[in-house]
Amino acid sequence: GEDVEQSLFLSVREGDSSVINCTYTDSSSTYLYWYKQEPGAGLQLLTYIFSNMDMKQDQRLTVLLNKKDKHLSLRIADTQTGDSAIYFCAETVSGGYNKLIFGAGTRLAVHP
Amino acid sequence: EPEVTQTPSHQVTQMGQEVILRCVPISNHLYFYWYRQILGQKVEFLVSFYNNEISEKSEIFDDQFSVERPDGSNFTLKIRSTKLEDSAMYFCASSEELARPKNIQYFGAGTRLSVL
Repeated sequence: GEDVEQSLFLSVREGDSSVINCTYTDSSSTYLYWYKQEPGAGLQLLTYIFSNMDMKQDQRLTVLLNKKDKHLSLRIADTQTGDSAIYFCAETVSGGYNKLIFGAGTRLAVHP
Repeated sequence: EPEVTQTPSHQVTQMGQEVILRCVPISNHLYFYWYRQILGQKVEFLVSFYNNEISEKSEIFDDQFSVERPDGSNFTLKIRSTKLEDSAMYFCASSEELARPKNIQYFGAGTRLSVL
């Protein structure tokens, strides 16, 4: 069945790079997403990658996709305190109506 | 920038009562979704809706749940007789199309439902 796994917690120093990892099980995934959730707020779409891509860069964000290992990562360069949030990896699978399957979320704590 | 709006932000209700959670999707979007997040758990898919009918639903979406698009702008989730375990954050999402690249789902800020 479909499943998405993430590590639950990451702590980094301000200015360092953060790397948040995710693994998924469904090889028919068509899209993989990263959403950000700040305390008490909704889900903000950060970036996404098509399953036929290996990498996508968007300003401070770099997404890497290893289809063989079904591994997705989100790298945040020059991490700031405003990046502190929960980051959710999600996938959609081919067919159907594009329901999203979410991981449990990685809580990123940025300290001075 | 267009956004999905949800009301209310927080709903408190007594067990057994009916609640209606409201969403206004992005205006040119055709596909609508509800998800929920029980505190400390994963965000879970509930239902997708297109062309005035349910297109897909999860096991969670039992007979106590219903969705409706009562007019051209609102999309509602009704829980007929709330249970304690319905307490969660409920997210509405919408997308323009099913085919990429217009199938990206945009989420509202959520409604926190507290069942007492």
